[in-house]
Amino acid sequence: KAGVTQTPRYLIKTRGQQVTLSCSPISGHRSVSWYQQTPGQGLQFLFEYFSETQRNKGNFPGRFSGRQFSNSRSEMNVSTLELGDSALYLCASSLAPGNEQFFGPGTRLTVL
Amino acid sequence: AQSVTQLGSHVSVSEGALVLLRCNYSSSVPPYLFWYVQYPNQGLQLLLKYTSAATLVKGINGFEAEFKKSETSFHLTKPSAHMSDAAEYFCAVSEQGGSEKLVFGKGTKLTVNP
Repeated sequence: KAGVTQTPRYLIKTRGQQVTLSCSPISGHRSVSWYQQTPGQGLQFLFEYFSETQRNKGNFPGRFSGRQFSNSRSEMNVSTLELGDSALYLCASSLAPGNEQFFGPGTRLTVL
Repeated sequence: AQSVTQLGSHVSVSEGALVLLRCNYSSSVPPYLFWYVQYPNQGLQLLLKYTSAATLVKGINGFEAEFKKSETSFHLTKPSAHMSDAAEYFCAVSEQGGSEKLVFGKGTKLTVNP
């Protein structure tokens, strides 16, 4: 069974731009969570989606948003990029909320 | 809010030596606790999890962890380190009693010397 896939793997943007990251969960998994990993702040929870509905949201500004489609694939969007948004963005999927999360390899975003 | 503290951002051991990575948590409710490993340029892989059953939890690759409520600790151990264990290790607690919305520690980078 294929694992969690994230595209693109690497991305370079400039300040003020916006970016969309994609996550395809493991087949059959309906819950998707997003995390931001930076050297300074570590791993921080962004949001969680289940059945196309956002169930939980972390403490991030409104520039960070996401959505989930009917096939459980998820996207996250960051608008008006700032230098501090440079990070590894990890997506994790699970069968349903409360089940074990399986992480993808991440998308490394660099903001110049 | 729940939190996790990992003591030691870097730990170095010799191959064959005991690995001990420390994790203390703060929680107002019975926690679910996890250890993840991250290899360079990869995502996180679950090593083991505590979900209120046995206090000694065995995981993959020979790792185990013991839940000690009195000490609010969940330290990760492995009797004999292997070169392939070199990676970054993260302890995490679930805020909502399940596996969603994980709160992670800052991580401990393990170096294994030949």
